[in-house]
Amino acid sequence: DTAVSQTPKYLVTQMGNDKSIKCEQNLGHDTMYWYKQDSKKFLKIMFSYNNKELIINETVPNRFSPKSPDKAHLNLHINSLELGDSAVYFCASSQGGVGNTIYFGEGSWLTVV
Amino acid sequence: AQKITQTQPGMFVQEKEAVTLDCTYDTSDPSYGLFWYKQPSSGEMIFLIYQGSYDQQNATEGRYSLNFQKARKSANLVISASQLGDSAMYFCAMREGLIQGAQKLVFGQGTRLTINP
Repeated sequence: DTAVSQTPKYLVTQMGNDKSIKCEQNLGHDTMYWYKQDSKKFLKIMFSYNNKELIINETVPNRFSPKSPDKAHLNLHINSLELGDSAVYFCASSQGGVGNTIYFGEGSWLTVV
Repeated sequence: AQKITQTQPGMFVQEKEAVTLDCTYDTSDPSYGLFWYKQPSSGEMIFLIYQGSYDQQNATEGRYSLNFQKARKSANLVISASQLGDSAMYFCAMREGLIQGAQKLVFGQGTRLTINP
């Protein structure tokens, strides 16, 4: 039973399209995150929600919009996709607080052509 | 400025040997945490071990241990008795901040570990 699950796992789409990645966690955590891993494997935080409230919003183009309908779900919508958006997007979750383990999903591999 | 530095882009180790993956960090915050994650070729990120800055003892989880040297600002991962399945990318990460319960992690560049039979 997957703890943090993301869909789709692979996504190939054309420039200019709008796409969404969905994430669900069944761990009962109250905090969820989106991270981006670029082609050089560098991981960087994009957003974090705690109890459906946006807490961390890094310098990300406003074409990226996260939405958390409830504590167990965090979706990422991307408008007007660009070639540079090609990356692996990881959803993660943790119980809020210091030192709690952050569990990652399997990643969503986005390729923009 | 790089806050997490992993100086070994790649390492090759013989099966059953112990291996140490280096990680140094930079912070002026007295409260921080250090995480290690494994990313196999299949792509998922697997949590391995955590060390808090105030923890008195080095963290251990099975074959994984963390050699935490606070004065040197290093948090090296030690894998004992390496196995072929340990071949993967390994990332060191530091909790840079805690914001209303959310932990902001900053990651290093990663080390690709290859275990040879």
